[in-house]
Amino acid sequence: NAGVTQTPKFQVLKTGQSMTLQCAQDMNHNSMYWYRQDPGMGLRLIYYSASEGTTDKGEVPNGYNVSRLNKREFSLRLESAAPSQTSVYFCASTSPQGTGSYGYTFGSGTRLTVV
Amino acid sequence: GQQVMQIPQYQHVQEGEDFTTYCNSSTTLSNIQWYKQRPGGHPVFLIQLVKSGEVKKQKRLTFQFGEAKKNSSLHITATQTTDVGTYFCAGPKAAGNKLTFGGGTRVLVKP
Repeated sequence: NAGVTQTPKFQVLKTGQSMTLQCAQDMNHNSMYWYRQDPGMGLRLIYYSASEGTTDKGEVPNGYNVSRLNKREFSLRLESAAPSQTSVYFCASTSPQGTGSYGYTFGSGTRLTVV
Repeated sequence: GQQVMQIPQYQHVQEGEDFTTYCNSSTTLSNIQWYKQRPGGHPVFLIQLVKSGEVKKQKRLTFQFGEAKKNSSLHITATQTTDVGTYFCAGPKAAGNKLTFGGGTRVLVKP
């Protein structure tokens, strides 16, 4: 099992450019999440999808959009990148019912720099 | 809104010594989770505590959930260089399974 796969691993954007971060999980999880992590800080929730077909805002959604393409895939889009969006982005998934564990499985992250 | 705070922010530990890191929530939690993130890596789920006063052990790591379910602790015995990393606690918001993460305790081990 690959778990949670994120692409790309690294990206440099110019201010104003757009891009989509991809995330796919192969664990048949219902819920998926996008977090950002800034240096020396914890993880802040950007958007989440409790189940296929639903998405909702997290703590820091401004400047981002998401798409839950199907049960496996959850993408994060930056429409017009800003230097404040320089961060490490983590996708995570979990299945809150029937597994006995609510722990998240994280992808390896996308390190994004906006110049 | 719900806040989760961890202390200390940094912990320098001599190899072989014990230490404890603490997690405090502004609200009562249905459960608390702990994650470890190695330098340059991603968070990895360690454990979940659900019951008031619950204590769980994983080798040299002991996790405790407070009686009021608003705080938790992680105690590491005989610290090793493999323990280096940042330890995060996280608790779910009242609605749904969205986790609020603490700021983490970054552990540095002196050999």
